[in-house]
Amino acid sequence: QVQLVQSGAEVKQPGSSVKVSCKASGGTFNRNTITWVRQAPGQGLEWMGRIIPFLGTTNYARKFQGRVTITADKSTNTAYMELRSLKSEDTTIYYCASARAANFPMDVWGPGTTVTVSS
Amino acid sequence: EIVMTQSPATLSMSPGERVTLSCTANQNVSTKVAWYQQRRGQSPRLLIYGASTRATGVPARFSGSGSGTEFTLTISSLQSEDFAVYYCQQCHNWWTFGQGTRVEVK
Repeated sequence: QVQLVQSGAEVKQPGSSVKVSCKASGGTFNRNTITWVRQAPGQGLEWMGRIIPFLGTTNYARKFQGRVTITADKSTNTAYMELRSLKSEDTTIYYCASARAANFPMDVWGPGTTVTVSS
Repeated sequence: EIVMTQSPATLSMSPGERVTLSCTANQNVSTKVAWYQQRRGQSPRLLIYGASTRATGVPARFSGSGSGTEFTLTISSLQSEDFAVYYCQQCHNWWTFGQGTRVEVK
């Protein structure tokens, strides 16, 4: 089964941007959907958006529209999530996860990337 | 937005006990519900999808039921490795998660 490998932890200043990567290891994205989910310390899971790398199609949760951009490089089987105008509340773990399509569950998860926003 | 509400927030249980977790959607999501287990320091793991189908490799002690707006995850006999947080998720209209139920040692 394909595994998802994410980039390392980041420390960012308020107002800056962060870009987290998610690479398929041992296979390709195929026609799957790659989603991004975040989890604040001790809190629940929050869906941010998704991309179909095969098509380049993106959709974002209303809360993050205008502040997040999800992209993908089919040649390297890598997806990216960029979050701008960072605030302290963006200090969370960011997960990428794979789903067959929009109405399917997330069956493969990356290990998560911790982003800390602090001055 | 579809809101998923889980109850209770915390369950204090002993190994070997039967556990029932509940999840309610604020609108009809058919059987488009999944359950995830998250152990401390780990990523979520898919347990159940389509409300009642176990994912690959998930032990038979885990079962899911429900349709429409009411859903249940049952662990028939709690094992030590099952103490974790459990999340329900709707896949009917994009994805939203419940706030989680923590199953802790009594």
